[in-house]
Amino acid sequence: AQSVTQLGSHVSVSEGALVLLRCNYSSSVPPYLFWYVQYPNQGLQLLLKYTSAATLVKGINGFEAEFKKSETSFHLTKPSAHMRDAAEYFCAVSPLQGAQKLVFGQGTRLTINP
Amino acid sequence: GAGVSQSPSNKVTEKGKDVELRCDPISGHTALYWYRQSLGQGLEFLIYFQGNSAPDKSGLPSDRFSAERTGGSVSTLTIQRTQQEDSAVYLCASSPAQGADTEAFFGQGTRLTVV
Repeated sequence: AQSVTQLGSHVSVSEGALVLLRCNYSSSVPPYLFWYVQYPNQGLQLLLKYTSAATLVKGINGFEAEFKKSETSFHLTKPSAHMRDAAEYFCAVSPLQGAQKLVFGQGTRLTINP
Repeated sequence: GAGVSQSPSNKVTEKGKDVELRCDPISGHTALYWYRQSLGQGLEFLIYFQGNSAPDKSGLPSDRFSAERTGGSVSTLTIQRTQQEDSAVYLCASSPAQGADTEAFFGQGTRLTVV
């Protein structure tokens, strides 16, 4: 069965600093991988996705993630944090076939310090 | 509307009562999903509808949970004889196609509190 582990339930960085949110997946074959963001009192919004094309994926709001098969990782980064990036971030996997039954990690709450 | 719409946004119900949660997907989207977001379990898949095919109910936690999708559009998630552990945010999502790599668009959710 597929699973996702997000290291760190809470990450705090200063405005302008590098953001690094970690995600490792467990799957017998490389799945599709997603990062979603959830702002307070809002639904989930897709940041980016990996679908076996380029291993470095660029998303919205300056975020990007790199798929590393050898490390079974899909870490999310942003070079310079903004206050508006404060939110909860979820990594998710989906099987390659059939429906997109997403399996989510537990989420990482990102706090930006002024 | 432009996005996935869920109603009500908040629901408080007494233990043992039945509740219905509604989801209006984006027009033209054939796939519809229900997820549950709770403190103890995180985000969990509940059920999936695709066109006129039989739904995938593999994520429903018990037989108290059911869902239907009428006319390939609006969906209703029903929880019978609610329990306190049913308290969670119920999220609906839709996507334009069945493929596992397509983007799912999420609604803002219904926060259910069972007292």
